[in-house]
Amino acid sequence: GIQVEQSPPDLILQEGANSTLRCNFSDSVNNLQWFHQNPWGQLINLFYIPSGTKQNGRLSATTVATERYSLLYISSSQTTDSGVYFCAGDSWGKLQFGAGTQVVVTP
Amino acid sequence: NAGVTQTPKFQVLKTGQSMTLQCAQDMNHEYMSWYRQDPGMGLRLIHYSVGAGITDQGEVPNGYNVSRSTTEDFPLRLLSAAPSQTSVYFCASSLTGTAYNEQFFGPGTRLTVL
Repeated sequence: GIQVEQSPPDLILQEGANSTLRCNFSDSVNNLQWFHQNPWGQLINLFYIPSGTKQNGRLSATTVATERYSLLYISSSQTTDSGVYFCAGDSWGKLQFGAGTQVVVTP
Repeated sequence: NAGVTQTPKFQVLKTGQSMTLQCAQDMNHEYMSWYRQDPGMGLRLIHYSVGAGITDQGEVPNGYNVSRSTTEDFPLRLLSAAPSQTSVYFCASSLTGTAYNEQFFGPGTRLTVL
């Protein structure tokens, strides 16, 4: 299966700051998804983004499939953005997850 | 819609015991899957199903069984629990019969094996 690498592993932000999370894949992926796991453990799908750019409020994501990476942008971060962000790509119909980026937003 | 539901939320087992983790979805999704989440390792796929009557193994299937007799339900069975199976288990579903769609996750089951 494909290898998924996320960076950075940890991120501490002050409220209001912007940040970029990165996801690299070892091989081509047919689709890519970003998830947020909140401090209570719930996993929420943020973006289904096989290619191109999407925006949802203060979050946006860009996938460059030909170069095997995706970026998640958090703008004007809020304490509710804290949690772990995962990217996942499919390998023969099975989702392969990265290890995640732990984000802490301080007031 | 209740979405994806999982029961129980918490469970403690002794080594060698068996149990079934329940997962149900009311969105008429064809694709369902089970993951385990361990610290620092993201989520790893245990088993998945592309439709009723069809199941297949994921990355870490040993020690687990699944069946898919209905579209709505996808239970995960631990045959003889081991401490290495202590983890948080998530069930997920998506619309069509592959992983090529937005995944919806249940709230998770936290399992401890003593």
